[in-house]
Amino acid sequence: QSALTQPASVSGSPGQSITISCTGTSSDVGGYNYVSWYQQHPGKAPKLMIYEVSNRPSGVSNRFSGSKSGNTASLTISGLQAEDEADYYCSSYTSSCYVFGTGTKVTVL
Amino acid sequence: QVQLQESGPGLVKPSGTLSLTCAVSGGSISSSNWWSWVRQPPGKGLEWIGEIYHSGSTNYNPSLKSRVTISVDKSKNQFSLKLSSVTAADTAVYYCARSGAVYGDYRGWYFDLWGRGTLVTVSS
Repeated sequence: QSALTQPASVSGSPGQSITISCTGTSSDVGGYNYVSWYQQHPGKAPKLMIYEVSNRPSGVSNRFSGSKSGNTASLTISGLQAEDEADYYCSSYTSSCYVFGTGTKVTVL
Repeated sequence: QVQLQESGPGLVKPSGTLSLTCAVSGGSISSSNWWSWVRQPPGKGLEWIGEIYHSGSTNYNPSLKSRVTISVDKSKNQFSLKLSSVTAADTAVYYCARSGAVYGDYRGWYFDLWGRGTLVTVSS
């Protein structure tokens, strides 16, 4: 299966909102509500931020939200903070497998 | 709380077999969860390798399936990865992760717990 497509980079100023897209096909993102999002700081393991399109795990800030329309899922970070600067990856279920997105570097200006 | 810790050789020769173990502490590997391996080449994105349930059931990435074996040792509360015929392209940080709770007919498809990762370099 092919990697899901994400923009290479997204930036915003503190306090602003940004949105990261994750585009797949009807065989993955569009076919199931099993999209998840991960935050990864340099040298660290990924951290689950959103699961099943829009659910936040306990302890994750409500500034992070997820949605999906057709074959594209989105992660929105509102009230951008310096600590949000990191790489973000989406992931989706497909045919008893997982596929990850290409990754997006978020820069806080 | 449950923690995961990867261990294994940091250097593997080309054409050899990469072997890693993930120890589960603070909880049982026989809990209602799947357990995965994910890798990340230096400076690149994440790639799912495969997963195992405590029953021994497995799912593998089709692109790696011919070279991958994931096994579980319930007596040691750990699961393992073997990747054969390695090349420099297999150089990566390898993570173990918990990959989906099971409740009756429901099965989650996300990674909610990760190990810290271990770098494996393929070089002669």
